[in-house]
Amino acid sequence: AQSVTQPDIHITVSEGASLELRCNYSYGATPYLFWYVQSPGQGLQLLLKYFSGDTLVQGIKGFEAEFKRSQSSFNLRKPSVHWSDAAEYFCAVQGGSEKLVFGKGTKLTVNP
Amino acid sequence: DAGITQSPRHKVTETGTPVTLRCHQTENHRYMYWYRQDPGHGLRLIHYSYGVKDTDKGEVSDGYSVSRSKTEDFLLTLESATSSQTSVYFCAISVGYREDYGYTFGSGTRLTVV
Repeated sequence: AQSVTQPDIHITVSEGASLELRCNYSYGATPYLFWYVQSPGQGLQLLLKYFSGDTLVQGIKGFEAEFKRSQSSFNLRKPSVHWSDAAEYFCAVQGGSEKLVFGKGTKLTVNP
Repeated sequence: DAGITQSPRHKVTETGTPVTLRCHQTENHRYMYWYRQDPGHGLRLIHYSYGVKDTDKGEVSDGYSVSRSKTEDFLLTLESATSSQTSVYFCAISVGYREDYGYTFGSGTRLTVV
């Protein structure tokens, strides 16, 4: 069965610093991969997705992610973090019956 | 964009009472999903539907049932609510095709069982 691991429960970075959130997935076929962001008390917003083609995917808000099949990873990056990026981030993989399987999330704190 | 509405947005109920949450979509999307979100667990799939009267269990289906008698409505029922079912519930639909493929989520229902 498909699964997603986000190894970091909580990450703290300083404003202006670079960011990388890790995501590892388990899925037998070519995965459809997603990153979502959730601000406190809010719903889920799609940052970016990977289906096929170029392994470096650009998303909204200056985020990008790189798909590495050999490492079963889909890490999210941002070169310079803004205070408004503080939120919880979820990686997800689409499995059978088009079900979306989520990781447990990484909470990002941004220090001024 | 596909419209998806969850109701109610907030609910407080007593242990042992039945509760039904509603998810309504405005278009004819085939797949619909119910998730629950809890701190430290991310979103976990409760049940999903792949058509009218076609439903299946997700990873945390115990204590929940669903029904889909119309394409646009997907109901989640807690037959006898327990405190462990206090959570935020999200409905989702899968939409689009190829590069436009994705998921649309509802705004969530915050359920408290006291």
